Amino acid sequence: EPEVTQTPSHQVTQMGQEVILRCVPISNHLYFYWYRQILGQKVEFLVSFYNNEISEKSEIFDDQFSVERPDGSNFTLKIRSTKLEDSAMYFCASIRGNSYNEQFFGPGTRLTVL
Amino acid sequence: SQQGEEDPQALSIQEGENATMNCSYKTSINNLQWYRQNSGRGLVHLILIRSNEREKHSGRLRVTLDTSKKSSSLLITASRAADTASYFCATDVLGAGNNRKLIWGLGTSLAVNP
Repeated sequence: EPEVTQTPSHQVTQMGQEVILRCVPISNHLYFYWYRQILGQKVEFLVSFYNNEISEKSEIFDDQFSVERPDGSNFTLKIRSTKLEDSAMYFCASIRGNSYNEQFFGPGTRLTVL
Repeated sequence: SQQGEEDPQALSIQEGENATMNCSYKTSINNLQWYRQNSGRGLVHLILIRSNEREKHSGRLRVTLDTSKKSSSLLITASRAADTASYFCATDVLGAGNNRKLIWGLGTSLAVNP
């Protein structure tokens, strides 16, 4: 069964460093998402992406964040200069089309900013 | 109150008992989904109920949806210690540009005692 994959599973970085979180969505899916979950809190929508551009971004998704689909298979989330408060679990998700119902989630990347 | 608020926030029951969790939301939805998360791990999709459905079953899970009250409930029957986890409801809503996104609740932490 096809699945969304994410790498790395755990990333530790120093404050101020850039990180890139990688996701490989399901191959025939067209809509892509990043969500974030700070430890012990709820999952929060960060950004949606369709047709090689951002469809919507939340207030959390400030200028330090960017997303890219560089090669038609990977979908990346870049944080330019990490802060302590960026420490969280980051989930990638994809959905086949706007008329489908279920978003498929990756296993997540745990980002720890020291 | 926020979109997708669950209650109770924490629930502790004995093995074999039923567990009921509730979720309320504020805006129109395409569907409502329930997820399970073991401590700090990935999101496991449990069940999806469309906005035109009132009840759905999957194994020991029963979900109801009342769109007039903007609420849903998740019932786990004959609970097992392995059901111990956090349970989140997520509402599938139309975001900017008519793209979909999930808005998550705060979650219910379920402890099933052997």
